[in-house]
Amino acid sequence: AQTVTQSQPEMSVQEAETVTLSCTYDTSENNYYLFWYKQPPSRQMILVIRQEAYKQQNATENRFSVNFQKAAKSFSLKISDSQLGDTAMYFCAFMGHTGNQFYFGTGTSLTVIP
Amino acid sequence: DVKVTQSSRYLVKRTGEKVFLECVQDMDHENMFWYRQDPGLGLRLIYFSYDVKMKEKGDIPEGYSVSREKKERFSLILESASTNQTSMYLCASRPRTSGQETQYFGPGTRLLVL
Repeated sequence: AQTVTQSQPEMSVQEAETVTLSCTYDTSENNYYLFWYKQPPSRQMILVIRQEAYKQQNATENRFSVNFQKAAKSFSLKISDSQLGDTAMYFCAFMGHTGNQFYFGTGTSLTVIP
Repeated sequence: DVKVTQSSRYLVKRTGEKVFLECVQDMDHENMFWYRQDPGLGLRLIYFSYDVKMKEKGDIPEGYSVSREKKERFSLILESASTNQTSMYLCASRPRTSGQETQYFGPGTRLLVL
């Protein structure tokens, strides 16, 4: 089975600052997908950003970008210009190219401080 | 927009009761999933289904069963609820089509077993 590790259970950042959430994973597959999901307090989990392993270019979505290091099996999320609405639990997830199953990390609780 | 709904946001049951958690998606997705979410453990897959009447065990199927009689509905059943099944339960769906690898989540059901 694949494993996904998020080593930062909790983080905080000042509003308008930049924060980076870490994620590492372990797999023997060459093609796969990586995701960051956001779960705001008492709200639905939503997709933040997705990266396909065969694409070397790092994915970006507005203020959210990733640093994908395939050889190091690292997939960190950078949030720029942090906003109060970014306060949430963030989960890193892995899915193999041929599989249906997602593997999630244990999550990082991010608090944006006004 | 994809909509995934779950029958209850909060549920309180007694030990030994049979519990049904219902999930409905409105986007004709082939794949549906049940997870439980616990602090410090992230999301763990209980069961998933890739078609009507088809099911596969996830990482923690013990004490649970599922039913998928219609494509849009995926039910999680706790045959005899126990206190260690107190948790947040998340349903998700995903189309089979390549290029749509993300999962769409329901709002979750917080189950308390007394």
